[in-house]
Amino acid sequence: EIQLQESGPGLVKPSQSLSLTCSVTGYTITSGYDWSWIRKFPGNKMEWMGYISNSGSTNYNPSLKIRISITRDTSKNQFFLQLNSVTTEDTATYYCARLTFNYGGFLFDYWGQGVMVTVSS
Amino acid sequence: DTVLTQSPALAVSPGERVTISCRASESVSTGMHWYQQKPGQQPKLLIYGASNLESGVPARFSGSGSGTDFTLTIDPVEADDTATYFCQQSWNDPFTFGSGTKLEIK
Repeated sequence: EIQLQESGPGLVKPSQSLSLTCSVTGYTITSGYDWSWIRKFPGNKMEWMGYISNSGSTNYNPSLKIRISITRDTSKNQFFLQLNSVTTEDTATYYCARLTFNYGGFLFDYWGQGVMVTVSS
Repeated sequence: DTVLTQSPALAVSPGERVTISCRASESVSTGMHWYQQKPGQQPKLLIYGASNLESGVPARFSGSGSGTDFTLTIDPVEADDTATYFCQQSWNDPFTFGSGTKLEIK
């Protein structure tokens, strides 16, 4: 069974960087699919942040392009999110998810449980 | 970006039929997908490509629509369907989500 699990600090200070890890079990991230980060803000708005492909290429939401970096460690079957220069508006629950292509386009078929990150001094 | 608009909340009784709508600010063809999120849980894929039922999802759930107007139908509704339902489009870049419809079962 494919499982994704986010981890990382729950509190980040403004202007610092937010760093999260997604550990994947049950599937090797280099075997196929793309691997995404999504966040859900208080009030339910959800935002796709970006993905890293199985070959290591990346694609980011233009709204975050200057602040975001998604990388991976294939030896640990993990991928990572770094978001720089955070503000209180980056307070959200962060999810990692598998992005797949099916009839109708790209969709997220496996999700982690999510990790809540608060940006506060 | 493509904006997806959903009604914020609905309340229905068990056994009834409920339709949840999602309207896109521009055409997304059939690139629309639906997710269910229960409190404290991660989202779960229900419908992909506007009308295709994800494996393992009860046939009580169905989707329809194309272009800009989409509907998720639950018939009949059960108490366990209490959740927030999100639409997501993948036709236009970047991928975007609706703001969610919170479904309450009376």
